[in-house]
Amino acid sequence: DGGITQSPKYLFRKEGQNVTLSCEQNLNHDAMYWYRQDPGQGLRLIYYSQIVNDFQKGDIAEGYSVSREKKESFPLTVTSAQKNPTAFYLCASNTFANTGELFFGEGSRLTVL
Amino acid sequence: AQSVTQLDSHVSVSEGTPVLLRCNYSSSYSPSLFWYVQHPNKGLQLLLKYTSAATLVKGINGFEAEFKKSETSFHLTKPSAHMSDAAEYFCVVSDRGFKTIFGAGTRLFVKA
Repeated sequence: DGGITQSPKYLFRKEGQNVTLSCEQNLNHDAMYWYRQDPGQGLRLIYYSQIVNDFQKGDIAEGYSVSREKKESFPLTVTSAQKNPTAFYLCASNTFANTGELFFGEGSRLTVL
Repeated sequence: AQSVTQLDSHVSVSEGTPVLLRCNYSSSYSPSLFWYVQHPNKGLQLLLKYTSAATLVKGINGFEAEFKKSETSFHLTKPSAHMSDAAEYFCVVSDRGFKTIFGAGTRLFVKA
């Protein structure tokens, strides 16, 4: 079945460490997105990529980095510069051909100890 | 500019009674509108979408929504709530490109 796979599901890190969250899709979608979700705040866009080797900052990109070396993969690195990284992170994708519908992974919960 | 407002942060209903989750939007374009559902520690799942076809949209699990341009609303309804409907619901507006705006979410509680 086609879909989006995020890993790990749960991740703990110490302050000052970088961590990378994986996002892989086999939907042949052009665009991929990373969102951050905090309680009561909905989803906020971190980064997005519409094509391989290109990506743009979203609304809250500071302290995060991404790469898009392959169409299927869009990993997110949470760097030590991110002041409050504890959150639920969601990866999504869509394609130029559809109406804006997003397809989501199951999410990764990052906790900084 | 686009925006979306979910008018209730929490809604509580009894099992078997109707559900109404309210959403107002603002868009400079002819928008696409969506409702997604999220269960705890899960990703978002599409419930239904409006893309300028029929204004009354039917979705999964008995949910439906009506697009009212004059009221700029896209409220989500279900005739009879089930315990499994307890979750968070997001109203979303898209300009059919890659700009997507999420509402803050409405948490639905269902009492036995």
